[in-house]
Amino acid sequence: DVKVTQSSRYLVKRTGEKVFLECVQDMDHENMFWYRQDPGLGLRLIYFSYDVKMKEKGDIPEGYSVSREKKERFSLILESASTNQTSMYLCASSSLAGGYNEQFFGPGTRLTVL
Amino acid sequence: QKEVEQDPGPLSVPEGAIVSLNCTYSNSAFQYFMWYRQYSRKGPELLMYTYSSGNKEDGRFTAQVDKSSKYISLFIRDSQPSDSATYLCAMIPWSSASKIIFGSGTRLSIRP
Repeated sequence: DVKVTQSSRYLVKRTGEKVFLECVQDMDHENMFWYRQDPGLGLRLIYFSYDVKMKEKGDIPEGYSVSREKKERFSLILESASTNQTSMYLCASSSLAGGYNEQFFGPGTRLTVL
Repeated sequence: QKEVEQDPGPLSVPEGAIVSLNCTYSNSAFQYFMWYRQYSRKGPELLMYTYSSGNKEDGRFTAQVDKSSKYISLFIRDSQPSDSATYLCAMIPWSSASKIIFGSGTRLSIRP
């Protein structure tokens, strides 16, 4: 079974704090993704990565950065957390593109910024 | 206008009913069409996917794609309380086989 794990299920941070969200997958997938999920807006892509040390901006990258030093790990960084970054954050992974490749999701991290 | 439109619900039906979930889209380049199911406090998981137009059946679930109308549907027959979840439609344009565009999700509740 593909497993995508996220470091925390729930996180509470204060405005201005630096926040790290970690994601690990165990299926040797090349692609990894970070989304945020908000009511009425669905899943929106923040950043994705096709390979180690490679990253591409998604639809809403402002206020976020990412790091992929190892193939299995993809980190999302909020440099200075703000209240509008309160959301559910979902990590996903998939194998190399070539037609459709299913994305496997982690359980999510619910982040609250006070 | 969003690329993918989906009624958020909530939709509540009695056990055993046939459920119809729908999405419309505006980008004619979409080639792969998917339905993800998301239980409360879990990540989405793929339920079904189809390539281009047509129907696909898997047990109690049928996915239907009408590219001429830019409309996709998911039908659930003999609905069960365990089908209670949020259902997200999702699509991929041919030009980017990894980048998925998601609908906002429909929350479905099946009453015993």
